[in-house]
Amino acid sequence: AQSVTQLDSQVPVFEEAPVELRCNYSSSVSVYLFWYVQYPNQGLQLLLKYLSGSTLVKGINGFEAEFNKSQTSFHLRKPSVHISDTAEYFCAVSVVGGTASKLTFGTGTRLQVTL
Amino acid sequence: DADVTQTPRNRITKTGKRIMLECSQTKGHDRMYWYRQDPGLGLRLIYYSFDVKDINKGEISDGYSVSRQAQAKFSLSLESAIPNQTALYFCATSDSGSRGRLEQYFGPGTRLTVT
Repeated sequence: AQSVTQLDSQVPVFEEAPVELRCNYSSSVSVYLFWYVQYPNQGLQLLLKYLSGSTLVKGINGFEAEFNKSQTSFHLRKPSVHISDTAEYFCAVSVVGGTASKLTFGTGTRLQVTL
Repeated sequence: DADVTQTPRNRITKTGKRIMLECSQTKGHDRMYWYRQDPGLGLRLIYYSFDVKDINKGEISDGYSVSRQAQAKFSLSLESAIPNQTALYFCATSDSGSRGRLEQYFGPGTRLTVT
């Protein structure tokens, strides 16, 4: 079975500062990797995904993530955050294969951006 | 109009009561999912359905049942609600196409409180 670890439950950051949200995964088979964002009182929406190819993936709202197979990581980064980026961020994995649409989520990281 | 809708958005019920949460989608997707979200635990899969005749248990199906009434509708039932089922419940959909099945689209959530 696969699992996802998001070690940081909360990350406070000042506006216009860079941020990195960490995600590590465990799986005995190849995986697809995702980052979802949940704004207050809303459902989740996809930020970006890694399926194959280039290990640097760009998503919406200026976010990017890098897949590192040797370190089993998929950290999310943004060079300059905005107040509107305040939200909860979830890393998720699915296995390559027939049930690829089944997602396993991490516990989430709450990003708090302040002035 | 939202592509994935959930009713009700908020519900307070008493221990032992039967309750149904409903999900409808207009995206034309064949795959649907039910998750629950608890603080610090992320999202956990309750049930998923890859088409009308295919329903599968997720990691935490005990105490829940589902019904896929049509391709667009997927209901979650709590036969006898208990307080530890207090949570935020999300419905999601995905498409079975080779790439489309990898992205899930979430509803706005139903906040359920069992007293």
